[in-house]
Amino acid sequence: EIVLTQSPATLSLSPGERATLSCRASQSVGSYLAWYQQKPGRAPRLLIYDASSRATGIPARFSGSGSGTDFTLTISSLEPEDFALYYCQQRSNWPLTFGGGTKVEIK
Amino acid sequence: EVQLLESGGGLVQPGGSLRLSCATSGFTFSSYAMSWVRQAPGKGLEWVSAISGPGGGIYSADSVRGRFTVSRDNSKNTLYLLMDSLRAEDTAIYYCAKGGGSGPFDYWGQGTLVTVSS
Repeated sequence: EIVLTQSPATLSLSPGERATLSCRASQSVGSYLAWYQQKPGRAPRLLIYDASSRATGIPARFSGSGSGTDFTLTISSLEPEDFALYYCQQRSNWPLTFGGGTKVEIK
Repeated sequence: EVQLLESGGGLVQPGGSLRLSCATSGFTFSSYAMSWVRQAPGKGLEWVSAISGPGGGIYSADSVRGRFTVSRDNSKNTLYLLMDSLRAEDTAIYYCAKGGGSGPFDYWGQGTLVTVSS
């Protein structure tokens, strides 16, 4: 099973600041890495797929990078609605796995 | 507009069974893999099971293999999850999601809560 480790667990930032979230895989997943945003009481929403492609309707301030085992989600300038939980997920191997999540909170 | 709507959740005793349904619309259902993903209270996301578009490919997490069965009815655009031998640790919100393996989870339902308790 591919283990995805997200860091940091919590990121405390102010609106307008840049957020950098990390996801590390226990073995290569190629580019088959996605990022999701989840707000309390809501279903997750796809942000980035295949490491760097933005999903439909996702603002340009969200970007993804990386390949192999190291991936980054960057939010260039935090908007109030961006404070949420973020998960990475791989689809390179079965079983499909998610990271433990990074909470982006208001400082 | 793509829509996914789960139903069938509720309270069940340990050892009991439950069947979840996910009615879909807005896309060609038979062309896409579908998955179930769950989230225990206050915890992260856990993929449960996936099924290919035609239904011939089925994959499940070790934690549910042999107890949960995913299926689909492409004539009804509906995904199912039959859950047997339920345990307390199966308590979670169960989401159906479009995708799995061949693509990311690009659309999600609102989730249905399953509570396993005596």
